[in-house]
Amino acid sequence: EIVMTQSPGTLSVSPGERATLSCRASQSVSTNLAWYQHKFGQAPRLLIYGAATRATGIPDRFSGSGSGTEFTLTISSLQSEDVAVYYCQQYANWPPLTFGGGTKVEIK
Amino acid sequence: EVQLVESGGTVVQPGGSLRLSCAASGFTFSIFHMNWVRQAPGKGLEWVAYITDGGGTTFYADSVQGRFTISRDNAKKSLFLQMNSLRADDTAVYYCVRGEWFSGDYAFDSWGQGTLVTVSS
Repeated sequence: EIVMTQSPGTLSVSPGERATLSCRASQSVSTNLAWYQHKFGQAPRLLIYGAATRATGIPDRFSGSGSGTEFTLTISSLQSEDVAVYYCQQYANWPPLTFGGGTKVEIK
Repeated sequence: EVQLVESGGTVVQPGGSLRLSCAASGFTFSIFHMNWVRQAPGKGLEWVAYITDGGGTTFYADSVQGRFTISRDNAKKSLFLQMNSLRADDTAVYYCVRGEWFSGDYAFDSWGQGTLVTVSS
C-alpha cells in the first residue's frame, strides 16, 4: 500500500498571500496524483489531477506540481473562500486508493 | 447537472447490518465506475470500495473486505453498499463518488453530500 503524508497539518495564511501545501508518497506514483478541497459541511471537490491539471471550473490561483514522491499544491493568493481541508490522493498503484491525512488551511 | 444523493445512514448496533443507497442523475450512470469513500469523525478521507461500470469487477479496502459489498443497478441509476458485521470504527460519513478517467488519470470528479452511519450500542 502506498502511504501518502501531507504537511503541515495546519497552515495559517493571510488573505492575498501564497499558501504552499506538501504531499509525499512512500514510493513513486509518477504524476498519478489528485488534490481535493473539502469545506466544512460540503462535499469534497476535485481540484487537480495528473499532479498539475486543474479540473473544470477550478480558479487558476490553484496550481499543482511535482512527480515521483514529492508534490505541491499552491494557492497563489489566498481568498476567504479557500478555507478548507485539502487532501492529496494517489491512483498509481491500487487498490487501495489512498489519501493523505489532509492539510487544514485557515486565514491568519 | 451531476447529482449523487446518498441515503440509508442511521444508528446501528455493533454486529448489525445496513444498506446504503446512492441515486444518480444528470449523467449516463451506466458508463461510469463508482466508489464509496468515508470520513470518520475528526479523521481524513478513506476509500472504501470500487465497482466498474458493468458491475463485473469490485475492489475493497482491507478494513472492509469480507464485510461490505458494493453493487449497482444501472437500470435504476443506483449504487449500493451492503454493510455487515458493523463495528464502532465503521462510524463515518459515507460518500458516493463518481470516478472519471481523464486520458489515463483516474480521479473522483463528483461527490454526494454523504450519509452518516453511527455504530453504537
